[in-house]
Amino acid sequence: GENVEQHPSTLSVQEGDSAVIKCTYSDSASNYFPWYKQELGKGPQLIIDIRSNVGEKKDQRIAVTLNKTAKHFSLHITETQPEDSAVYFCAGGGYSTLTFGKGTMLLVSP
Amino acid sequence: NAGVTQTPKFRVLKTGQSMTLLCAQDMNHEYMYWYRQDPGMGLRLIHYSVGEGTTAKGEVPDGYNVSRLKKQNFLLGLESAAPSQTSVYFCASSYDLGKRYTGELFFGEGSRLTVL
Repeated sequence: GENVEQHPSTLSVQEGDSAVIKCTYSDSASNYFPWYKQELGKGPQLIIDIRSNVGEKKDQRIAVTLNKTAKHFSLHITETQPEDSAVYFCAGGGYSTLTFGKGTMLLVSP
Repeated sequence: NAGVTQTPKFRVLKTGQSMTLLCAQDMNHEYMYWYRQDPGMGLRLIHYSVGEGTTAKGEVPDGYNVSRLKKQNFLLGLESAAPSQTSVYFCASSYDLGKRYTGELFFGEGSRLTVL
């Protein structure tokens, strides 16, 4: 089955800086790579996703890049704000199920 | 439109007791999932269903059973709870994009279970 590795496990940045979270996957058949944000006491919520026929996707301050050859994808958050502080999960798969990484706790300091 | 609703939100059990977690979705989604979340372990898939009357094992199915008798409901059962099953359980649902490709997962708020 699919195996998704996520780094780093924690990330501290100053407000206004950029943050990058990286994930690798093992199954070349995976075709869907979403990113979820989880705030304290809540369920994860999708923030951006990418399918394997696209190399990059942007949505305001958030972007995701995908390198199918190397089997890795990354989340980029620019101009970070304190409300970006949360746990972020990457996931891979797409054929019936998704496998999640172990999460990155992002802390944005004012 | 409630989305995905989980009940109960909190529960404390003694070792050996049984219980059922209920997940209900009102989005007419085909797929439903049960994940458990433990510190440092991310979200691990327990069981899932690709349609009414069907279920399948995920990554960590041992000690759990599931049923999907109605399309909108997905039940997770613990027949004999163990301390290792102390966790936060999340239900999710998604639509079928065709050819069994899944779309965005919509999660419930979670159910915190403690087994003493």
